[in-house]
Amino acid sequence: NAGVTQTPKFQVLKTGQSMTLQCAQDMNHEYMSWYRQDPGMGLRLIHYSVGAGITDQGEVPNGYNVSRSTTEDFPLRLLSAAPSQTSVYFCASSYGGGVSYGYTFGSGTRLTVV
Amino acid sequence: SQKIEQNSEALNIQEGKTATLTCNYTNYSPAYLQWYRQDPGRGPVFLLLIRENEKEKRKERLKVTFDTTLKQSLFHITASQPADSATYLCALEAAGNKLTFGGGTRVLVKP
Repeated sequence: NAGVTQTPKFQVLKTGQSMTLQCAQDMNHEYMSWYRQDPGMGLRLIHYSVGAGITDQGEVPNGYNVSRSTTEDFPLRLLSAAPSQTSVYFCASSYGGGVSYGYTFGSGTRLTVV
Repeated sequence: SQKIEQNSEALNIQEGKTATLTCNYTNYSPAYLQWYRQDPGRGPVFLLLIRENEKEKRKERLKVTFDTTLKQSLFHITASQPADSATYLCALEAAGNKLTFGGGTRVLVKP
């Protein structure tokens, strides 16, 4: 049981490049979310999904795109990377919105945009 | 505007003592509140959930209270150990099942 798997663990991008952060879970969780974590800012919600084919915006969605074609996968796309997107990105999943068992987080992707 | 506030200053505590962390919120009416632990370089780990109709919840050496009138949750670590040193995050549900986090409080337990 792998839980939530994020790849890559580290990435350096040049300004303007695009990339996809991968997130996969094997717990059959309906809910999946993407957060970014910056020093002094805590975790901020980027996008989330309550099931395959359903996504919605969080607090800081600009510059990011998501899709949810399967229950297992929830990739996050950076359309045109900017230095302000330098951050640590966490993917999380839960059963029933975390009402009983909370969210399970991945180990994170540390992204640097130069 | 909606806010979740945790003490941003680190809490230094002697081993064996009780650490008490505070989570205050404004302009939310959460059905439940969650606490997570985060170690450096790792993702948060779920610890406890308390519902709006529960006053107190315990798990081993951890205790959480939830006062919806004061809009506050307290998180206690009793008989603290150096291994409890970490950052502790509170989180609550905003509209549309969006889980929103406070900034976290770092705890350092000294032997």
